Amino acid sequence: DAGVIQSPRHEVTEMGQEVTLRCKPISGHNSLFWYRQTMMRGLELLIYFNNNVPIDDSGMPEDRFSAKMPNASFSTLKIQPSEPRDSAVYFCASSRSNQPQHFGDGTRLSIL
Amino acid sequence: AQSVSQHNHHVILSEAASLELGCNYSYGGTVNLFWYVQYPGQHLQLLLKYFSGDPLVKGIKGFEAEFIKSKFSFNLRKPSVQWSDTAEYFCAVNLYGGATNKLIFGTGTLLAVQP
Repeated sequence: DAGVIQSPRHEVTEMGQEVTLRCKPISGHNSLFWYRQTMMRGLELLIYFNNNVPIDDSGMPEDRFSAKMPNASFSTLKIQPSEPRDSAVYFCASSRSNQPQHFGDGTRLSIL
Repeated sequence: AQSVSQHNHHVILSEAASLELGCNYSYGGTVNLFWYVQYPGQHLQLLLKYFSGDPLVKGIKGFEAEFIKSKFSFNLRKPSVQWSDTAEYFCAVNLYGGATNKLIFGTGTLLAVQP
C-alpha cells in the first residue's frame, strides 16, 4: 500500500522565488491536509480539503500561500514570493472520513 | 473552541523507567482521540486511537492510553521505555461523527530516553 507521497523531499531556493510543493494522497482517502512544522511554532494546520474542496484555509499565513486540489489524487501548495521565514518542514496528510490521518514524509524547505 | 493541552513539553527518562504523558482536551461532546509519534527526522505516525468502547487502548510498541471522560483526559503510558522511544509525541482530537476530519493537535512532548 503506497502511503502519502510528497515531492520534493528537500528544496533549497532563494527568497523571492516561487516554490511548489506536491502531494499525492492515499487512494480512496477523501480528505487532504497541509501542515507546516517549525521549532518555534510546532505543527500548524494550513489548509484542508474534503472531496477536493477547500474547507478551512484559516491557517494559511498570508496571500503568498495558495493551495489547490484539482483532483482526488493530487494537491499543490505554492508560495510566491518565498521568504526566509517560510523555511520549515511541510507535511501533507490524508484520511478517510472519521479515520486517522496518514502523513507523508514531508518537504524540508529552506529559503535563503 | 476545541483545544488540546499537553502539559509536559520536555521529558527526560532513563531506560526502563515508566512513562506517562498528559493530554487534556476541551470539548463537551463525543470525540475521537489519537496519539501520534514523530521519530527524529521522520513524519508523524499513528501510535494509537480511541473511537469508542474500552477506554483503555493498546497501541504499537507497548504503548497504551486511557480515556477518562470525566477528566477530559487521554494520557499516554508505557511501563518501561527504551532508548528507541526517543521522539516527539502529539495528542490529537476530532469530533466523533463530525462533518470534517480536521484534527486539533497538542503542542507535542519531546521525550528523550537516556541509555
